[in-house]
Amino acid sequence: EVQLLESGGDLVQPGGSLRLSCVASGFTFSNYDMSWVRQAPGKGLEWVSAVSTSGDGTTYADSVKGRFTISRDNSKNTLSLQMNSLRAEDTAIYYCAKVLQHWYFDVWGRGTLVTVSS
Amino acid sequence: EIVLTQSPATLSLSPGERATLSCRASESVSRYLAWYQQKPGQAPRLLIYDASNRATGIPARFSGSGSGTDFTLTISSLEPEDFAVYYCQHRYNWPLTFGGGTKVEIK
Repeated sequence: EVQLLESGGDLVQPGGSLRLSCVASGFTFSNYDMSWVRQAPGKGLEWVSAVSTSGDGTTYADSVKGRFTISRDNSKNTLSLQMNSLRAEDTAIYYCAKVLQHWYFDVWGRGTLVTVSS
Repeated sequence: EIVLTQSPATLSLSPGERATLSCRASESVSRYLAWYQQKPGQAPRLLIYDASNRATGIPARFSGSGSGTDFTLTISSLEPEDFAVYYCQHRYNWPLTFGGGTKVEIK
């Protein structure tokens, strides 16, 4: 069964840092681009960042550029998101997503909640 | 940034009725548009990609159409499990963006 399992969400103060992880199983992780998508409480979906199969190509939404870093470790089937200088508006459920056909999302994790508050 | 506008915001229908959801792009996205379904407390699920291709395992009652700036998701006959929020998303360029969603609720 194809699965994505996120972890690392927590309550953090404004200006703080957090690292999210997503472990993939049931498919050849290294063959697929991957992405993070977030959803603020009661709001819609917002694409955050994406990474190519090798990890060499990355792209970010303007709202997180310069603060967030996406990476992957194909030997461990793991996608990561390093989040620095967190703001209240970063509060959201963060979903890890497998990419279909550059760039739709055909498999999603259950999400991990990040809360930025003092 | 391409803005996707979904309408209506809420659609109140009964099981068995036909649902027609709209997604309009601020500029052409060719056919590079997807539709997702999201139920409360769950992750989104891909329904349609490239405007009209059903994703794996999606029932035939879901269909998509359109190109350029105007797209439609049609649910031919609503089943009880179809009451949810639906989002469109383009992949034409960066940044990828989603529409604001249409909630399909039971009348």
